[in-house]
Amino acid sequence: AQSVTQPDIHITVSEGASLELRCNYSYGATPYLFWYVQSPGQGLQLLLKYFSGDTLVQGIKGFEAEFKRSQSSFNLRKPSVHWSDAAEYFCATYNYGQNFVFGPGTRLSVLP
Amino acid sequence: DAGVIQSPRHEVTEMGQEVTLRCKPISGHNSLFWYRQTMMRGLELLIYFNNNVPIDDSGMPEDRFSAKMPNASFSTLKIQPSEPRDSAVYFCATAVGGISPLHFGNGTRLTVT
Repeated sequence: AQSVTQPDIHITVSEGASLELRCNYSYGATPYLFWYVQSPGQGLQLLLKYFSGDTLVQGIKGFEAEFKRSQSSFNLRKPSVHWSDAAEYFCATYNYGQNFVFGPGTRLSVLP
Repeated sequence: DAGVIQSPRHEVTEMGQEVTLRCKPISGHNSLFWYRQTMMRGLELLIYFNNNVPIDDSGMPEDRFSAKMPNASFSTLKIQPSEPRDSAVYFCATAVGGISPLHFGNGTRLTVT
């Protein structure tokens, strides 16, 4: 079965610093990949998605992610973090057999 | 569009009581998913519907849980009888279908005492 791992449970960065959240997936074929963000008391909101084509995808709120097939990774990046980015971030994949599979999430804290 | 609407936002009930969670999907979305989120288990898919028909309910923990989608604009998740271990945040999410991204509601936080 397909799985998604997010190695970092909790990351703390200073405001203005760069950010990279890691995501690895296990799937033989090219996966459909997503990043979602969840603020406290809210549902998950789509940041960006990758289906095919350019392996660097741009999303909302200044986020981007890069698909690397050789590393089975889809890491999320932001060049300069804002305090409002503090939230939980989920990587997810989709395949027709299992539907959507979510990673365990990475909690991001931002220091002033 | 108002997005996916869930009600109630919070529910506190006593063990043994029946609980009904409600979801109004985004108009035009023909896939609907119920998820449960806990600290211990993360996001778990309970059941999903396609065109109002239940497709996969293998995630429903036990017979105490049931879900219905009587029409394209409404779905319910019922727990009867409820137990303390059912305490969690329950999310409804909808999609146009296929690999289109999920749109989540703001969830129902259920506490069973």
